[in-house]
Amino acid sequence: QKEVEQNSGPLSVPEGAIASLNCTYSDRGSQSFFWYRQYSGKSPELIMSIYSNGDKEDGRFTAQLNKASQYVSLLIRDSQPSDSATYLCAVPYSSASKIIFGSGTRLSIRP
Amino acid sequence: KAGVTQTPRYLIKTRGQQVTLSCSPISGHRSVSWYQQTPGQGLQFLFEYFSETQRNKGNFPGRFSGRQFSNSRSEMNVSTLELGDSALYLCASSSGSGDQPQHFGDGTRLSIL
Repeated sequence: QKEVEQNSGPLSVPEGAIASLNCTYSDRGSQSFFWYRQYSGKSPELIMSIYSNGDKEDGRFTAQLNKASQYVSLLIRDSQPSDSATYLCAVPYSSASKIIFGSGTRLSIRP
Repeated sequence: KAGVTQTPRYLIKTRGQQVTLSCSPISGHRSVSWYQQTPGQGLQFLFEYFSETQRNKGNFPGRFSGRQFSNSRSEMNVSTLELGDSALYLCASSSGSGDQPQHFGDGTRLSIL
């Protein structure tokens, strides 16, 4: 089992719809979780951090965390073409003092 | 607050040469990590430095090395360059505590001819 797993996509979503991105992790001791957005040819940009079970909302973005099931998700409401990018899930591993990145999900918003 | 600064932004080298990339972290950040990213690929972890010590290391050959200075600035060196080393090299800084995110620089795009 990979330490942090994401569906590579591409995930195609119509403009205005909700995009749902999922991530699972294997370290039960992990306490914080991050989502990054990376446009083609650019560097990753931190868009969401979540530390507690439940939902955290920031504008059109909602991060959801379920530690019991070891998954974290990112919802993007009212998807826009500018949301087309690769989304990376990152999980600091308590046992290794390092952040593990998933391989990313490529999201495409079609007009 | 200034972000992570990487220099140079672009670099062209030939096979067999060596190269040094530089990274200045966000002020107050003590951890610097380096990643390699090739087109269509995920982030490949090279190494992490914290307080001038290498704390973690990925699975790259010994041609890839790094160091960190007392002001937390970091350099990465690649010797005997190969065509396959062409990539975007990203530096990310953080406070170094396990629950804080990393913040990335714009990267150095290295092309090997």
